[in-house]
Amino acid sequence: SYLLTQPPSVSVAPGQTARITCGGDNLERKSVHWYQQKPGQAPVLVVFDVFDRPSGIPERFSGFTSGNTATLTISRVEAGDEADYYCQVWESTGDLYVFGTGTQVTVL
Amino acid sequence: EVQLEESGGGLIQPGGSLRLSCVASVFDVSDTYMSWVRQAPGKGLEWVSSIYRDGTIYYEESVRGRFTTSRDISKNTVSLHINSLRAEDTAVYYCAKIGVGRFGRSYFEIWGLGTLVTVSS
Repeated sequence: SYLLTQPPSVSVAPGQTARITCGGDNLERKSVHWYQQKPGQAPVLVVFDVFDRPSGIPERFSGFTSGNTATLTISRVEAGDEADYYCQVWESTGDLYVFGTGTQVTVL
Repeated sequence: EVQLEESGGGLIQPGGSLRLSCVASVFDVSDTYMSWVRQAPGKGLEWVSSIYRDGTIYYEESVRGRFTTSRDISKNTVSLHINSLRAEDTAVYYCAKIGVGRFGRSYFEIWGLGTLVTVSS
């Protein structure tokens, strides 16, 4: 089965830039999506189709994929960005959906 | 505005059965793609099942045979029936609407608040 690997945690100071990586085979050939999940809440889509943002998501959130690694970048980090972040792809073989292992972002 | 609302969770003994429901309030479940995603306590997200506009249903391999996804167009609802519940099925179960982007149906654009299923004796 297809695997997506993320670092367990990322720490960043307010105002700085957080970069969350997601690794998977031939990832640049897939459309990567990202979700933010705050404690006790449902996930929220923050980036889809590699770099598109749903309405209401700040431009501070951006996505990029190169080779086997996708990256979610959060610019000018705020305390409210503290959450778990998950990458996700759709795997056409078997028509199934795969989530990354998740990254906890801590704002120092 | 709550667009998806799950119900049906609770405390169930191992081996029991449960039916989860998800009612949509803004769009027609018959005209879109819907999924169930679960999250065990303290763990990550896990896709469980999807039902497409044409009625095609897919399951994650580990739940195939025990989980059954269906929809009721008259009630604008999708359901997840779970048989032979195990301790490892303990999780929050989310209903989600699948978005269709530049590369087809591939992401979860709207989520419900989730319903907690606890399997324990």
